Amino acid sequence: GAVVSQHPSRVICKSGTSVKIECRSLDFQATTMFWYRQFPKQSLMLMATSNEGSKATYEQGVEKDKFLINHASLTLSTLTVTSAHPEDSSFYICSASGTGRAGELFFGEGSRLTVL
Amino acid sequence: KQEVTQIPAALSVPEGENLVLNCSFTDSAIYNLQWFRQDPGKGLTSLLLIQSSQREQTSGRLNASLDKSSGRSTLYIAASQPGDSATYLCAVLIYNQGGKLIFGQGTELSVKP
Repeated sequence: GAVVSQHPSRVICKSGTSVKIECRSLDFQATTMFWYRQFPKQSLMLMATSNEGSKATYEQGVEKDKFLINHASLTLSTLTVTSAHPEDSSFYICSASGTGRAGELFFGEGSRLTVL
Repeated sequence: KQEVTQIPAALSVPEGENLVLNCSFTDSAIYNLQWFRQDPGKGLTSLLLIQSSQREQTSGRLNASLDKSSGRSTLYIAASQPGDSATYLCAVLIYNQGGKLIFGQGTELSVKP
């Protein structure tokens, strides 16, 4: 199946700093990628839909100025958490649709963010 | 608004048992339903994908069914093994909304040797 890679897998930062997480589709082109957030013992919540070459579409309640998404190429989307606070600590997962079965999504390994 | 519910939230069984995980969704206008496995601190591994026109899919010891009219799906795991211990998530792809997946809360499965 298609492979989606996320980097870094773990990051610890101080409050007030910005952190960038990368999501790459390694063996396919992804015009659309999705960013999810997952709190401990909870399910995944969609944050935004990232479209190559255009602005991301954010879900209700997600601050677009805080969670900056850039999808500059067909294989790379980035999520930047700006001015991070401890409450931003979470597990962030990206997904992308491949060229296989319609509607099939492939997920990255996730990035654990801890804000001190 | 589409809501996905999974029952039970947690399940502990002895090795070798057959088990069923349940998933229900409130809006039958789905494109497909997918079952995923998530190990602690890891991303998601796709297990089975059922298109809205299908009724079931099988992969090895796993069988997933879909009854769109009643808004239900089940994941059947045969002859469970300790390696099956993980959280199982079901998710529905909303029809014509650009690939939005709505996830259930997951079922945390523990298979005891």
